[in-house]
Amino acid sequence: GAGVSQSPSNKVTEKGKDVELRCDPISGHTALYWYRQSLGQGLEFLIYFQGNSAPDKSGLPSDRFSAERTGGSVSTLTIQRTQQEDSAVYLCASSLSAGGTQETQYFGPGTRLLVL
Amino acid sequence: AQSVTQLGSHVSVSEGALVLLRCNYSSSVPPYLFWYVQYPNQGLQLLLKYTSAATLVKGINGFEAEFKKSETSFHLTKPSAHMSDAAEYFCAVSRTDSNYQLIWGAGTKLIIKP
Repeated sequence: GAGVSQSPSNKVTEKGKDVELRCDPISGHTALYWYRQSLGQGLEFLIYFQGNSAPDKSGLPSDRFSAERTGGSVSTLTIQRTQQEDSAVYLCASSLSAGGTQETQYFGPGTRLLVL
Repeated sequence: AQSVTQLGSHVSVSEGALVLLRCNYSSSVPPYLFWYVQYPNQGLQLLLKYTSAATLVKGINGFEAEFKKSETSFHLTKPSAHMSDAAEYFCAVSRTDSNYQLIWGAGTKLIIKP
C-alpha cells in the first residue's frame, strides 16, 4: 500500500527565498507530524495536526515557519525568507489516530533542503 | 527536562557479531519507548516499541530490546549482524506532558564490517 510521500525530495534555494514542502500522509491517518532532522541531531518536533483540531505549533522555531493541512489530508510546510540555518531534512509522519504516544508513526522519505 | 541519550554516534561491528546499541532515558513516570531505523535515503520505520507489557520486546529483522527501569535503559540488540543492518537507529521516549509527542535521541549509525 502507499506510504507517506513527500515532495520535493531535494530542494536547493537561495537565502531569502520562500519554500514549500509537501506531505501526503497515509490515507485514513488523522494525525500528522512535521519534524526537522539536522546532521548529528535527533528529530526536532515542529508541528502536529490531529483531525479538525487546532494544530500544535509549539515546535516551530520562528514565525517564518508555517504549516497547513487541507481537508485533513495533504499538508504543506512553508518557510519564508529562508536562512542558511534552515538547511536540514524535513520529515513528515502520520499515524492512525490520536491514540496516544504509543501509536506508531509512519515516516516519509523526507525533503532535503539546502539554503545557499 | 526529559532526555534521551544514545551512546555512540557511530558503532562498528563485524558481520555475524553481536549488535548492541545503547539508549538511556530520563522520565518521571514509566514511559513508552521506541526504536526506529532509517535506511539510507528512506524514512524512519518502527523497529520495536515498549508499551508497558513485557519488558523484553522483540522487533523486526531479529532485533530485540529490554526495558530496564532500574537502569533507565532500553538497549537494542541483535545476536548476529548482517550487512543489511547498516543504517541509522533512533531511540525515542514518550513525553510525560504530551499525549502525542516523543523525545528523540541523536541517532547511532551502525556500520557493518565484512
